[in-house]
Amino acid sequence: GDSVTQMEGPVTLSEEAFLTINCTYTATGYPSLFWYVQYPGEGLQLLLKATKADDKGSNKGFEATYRKETTSFHLEKGSVQVSDSAVYFCALSDRSGGSNYKLTFGKGTLLTVNP
Amino acid sequence: SAVISQKPSRDICQRGTSLTIQCQVDSQVTMMFWYRQQPGQSLTLIATANQGSEATYESGFVIDKFPISRPNLTFSTLTVSNMSPEDSSIYLCSAGDYGYTFGSGTRLTVV
Repeated sequence: GDSVTQMEGPVTLSEEAFLTINCTYTATGYPSLFWYVQYPGEGLQLLLKATKADDKGSNKGFEATYRKETTSFHLEKGSVQVSDSAVYFCALSDRSGGSNYKLTFGKGTLLTVNP
Repeated sequence: SAVISQKPSRDICQRGTSLTIQCQVDSQVTMMFWYRQQPGQSLTLIATANQGSEATYESGFVIDKFPISRPNLTFSTLTVSNMSPEDSSIYLCSAGDYGYTFGSGTRLTVV
């Protein structure tokens, strides 16, 4: 079945540091890929998405590129801020094989940014 | 993308009771999904709710414990029945077409 593997956290960075959170996936079809963010005490917000190979999703300084050849969708940001402290989830939606468009999530990566 | 209003935002319930969570979407959507997020964990899909048909449950989740209604294309409810402390989680609904939007979640504590 489908699965998403994220780098284990927690990740602790200083403000303005470069961020990479690795995400790889396994899917039977051709999935769409997502990054979600969950701030403390809040629900889930869509951060960015990509629907086909070589697409780059971007939002709020975060970027991720859909790499079909390496089945990866790594999240990057050039300069993190304290306000980026949150849990980040990588997810896929595989519409093939009657999977009903459901999302399969990675385990989440806790990011803490210190001033 | 759709905007989802979910309520209640949090509740503390006695074991053995039931809680119904509501999600209202600001536009018509074909599919709605209910997820559970146990403390410190990722999200697990409970069921898919389509209007006019019975919900489809994932392995490990049953209708008697988590009955779902989907009376129209903008609304769904999830009931957590006969609750125990193990049901303490965040419950989230999402609406799809693409890049699915989530409700703000219901933080349930069972005592």
